[in-house]
Amino acid sequence: QVQLQESGPGLVKPSETLSLTCTVSGGSISSYYWSWIRQPPGKGLEWIGYIYYSGSTNYNPSLKSRVTISVDTSKNQFSLKLSSVTAADTAVYYCARVFNFWSGYSSGYYMDVWGKGTTVTVSS
Amino acid sequence: DIQMTQSPSSLSASVGDRVTITCQASQDISNYLNWYQQKPGKAPKLLIYDASNLETGVPSRFSGSGSGTDFTFTISSLQPEDIATYYCQQYDNLPIFTFGPGTKVDIK
Repeated sequence: QVQLQESGPGLVKPSETLSLTCTVSGGSISSYYWSWIRQPPGKGLEWIGYIYYSGSTNYNPSLKSRVTISVDTSKNQFSLKLSSVTAADTAVYYCARVFNFWSGYSSGYYMDVWGKGTTVTVSS
Repeated sequence: DIQMTQSPSSLSASVGDRVTITCQASQDISNYLNWYQQKPGKAPKLLIYDASNLETGVPSRFSGSGSGTDFTFTISSLQPEDIATYYCQQYDNLPIFTFGPGTKVDIK
């Protein structure tokens, strides 16, 4: 079955760029959307953005100016870059697969496979 | 932007109780609504998609209903393993996703 694993530095300095990679195993990255979600300590979930395997993207409007998500199909990986980070970007970052289905009259989406999450702390 | 509210923010119930959580959207989202369970220290887990469809392998005591702006998530008989925070999530046709603020469920 498909598994996701986040990787990247656990500590990032303020004003620098946070970079994370999600490796997909047990299945192909093709034909799906792939998403990043984060959760600050003690708070709720925030959707960051997604990338389709072909490379098209969509981002949370509140983060759009600082976010880039990319995909490497040859490595079965997709990545997140978040620039100009501050302490407010400290969070557990999750990657997830977005399943797209046809409900009979419209497209539906849900996040059906998640990574375990990786903690990123922004501090000098 | 579509805003999501959930109520209550937390609840405490006894084993075997029926538990109901509501999620309200700031505008009509049809049935573009999913429900997730998150246990402490774990990643979220999909329970319900398309407002009322039970994900494969999820116990039948979990259910969802609603459309438009008002949605309900129900645990018909609360079990000790159901201690978690539950999130609704809406999406639009782009899709852009928004999570609700969450409802923390404890055992009384």
